[in-house]
Amino acid sequence: EVQLLESGGGLVQPGGSLRLSCVASGFTFSNYVMRWVRQAPGKGLEWVSAIDGGARSISYADSVKGRFTVSRDNSKNTLYLQMNSLSADDTAIYYCAKDLNGGNGHWGQGTLVTVSS
Amino acid sequence: EVVMTQSPATLSVSPGERATLSCRASQSVSINLAWYQQKPGQAPTLLIYGASTRATGIPARFSGSGSGTEFTLTISSLQSEDFAVYYCQQYNNWPPLTFGGGTKVEIK
Repeated sequence: EVQLLESGGGLVQPGGSLRLSCVASGFTFSNYVMRWVRQAPGKGLEWVSAIDGGARSISYADSVKGRFTVSRDNSKNTLYLQMNSLSADDTAIYYCAKDLNGGNGHWGQGTLVTVSS
Repeated sequence: EVVMTQSPATLSVSPGERATLSCRASQSVSINLAWYQQKPGQAPTLLIYGASTRATGIPARFSGSGSGTEFTLTISSLQSEDFAVYYCQQYNNWPPLTFGGGTKVEIK
């Protein structure tokens, strides 16, 4: 069974940093593109970042480019999102998701990031 | 960037009735389109990919159609557990991956 478990969310002041983690199990992690998708309170879904299995192809939404860094450790089956220079606009639930033929086939339960003073 | 537009924003349907949800892309995305269901307090679930292929375990009452710029998700006979928000997402021209704004299916 595919499982994705995010952690690392919490309350952070504007301008601060957080690192999110997503531990994967139930599939060969290194074979799959992984993505981060976020959802602000009461809003829709916004794609944040994607990384291929070998971490050779990485992409970001314009809204986070230059502030967020996605990475993965295939030996630990773990996906990361380093978030710097956070603002209130980054307040959201952050989900990690596993690719399935281009769609996001499995999602974690999400971790809440709140940026507030 | 491909802009995805969903309509209507809210759809009121009685249990047992058919629901038809629309998704329009600002440019052709071929059949590289997915549909998701999200219930309150839960992560989204993939329903459809490739515009019309049901994901594993998704009931046959969910069907997707369309190509290019016009897509439809049909729920043939709404069950109580189907009242939720539905999102479309294109993966033809990315980055960025883009989602529609969602359609809320509520009980009439």
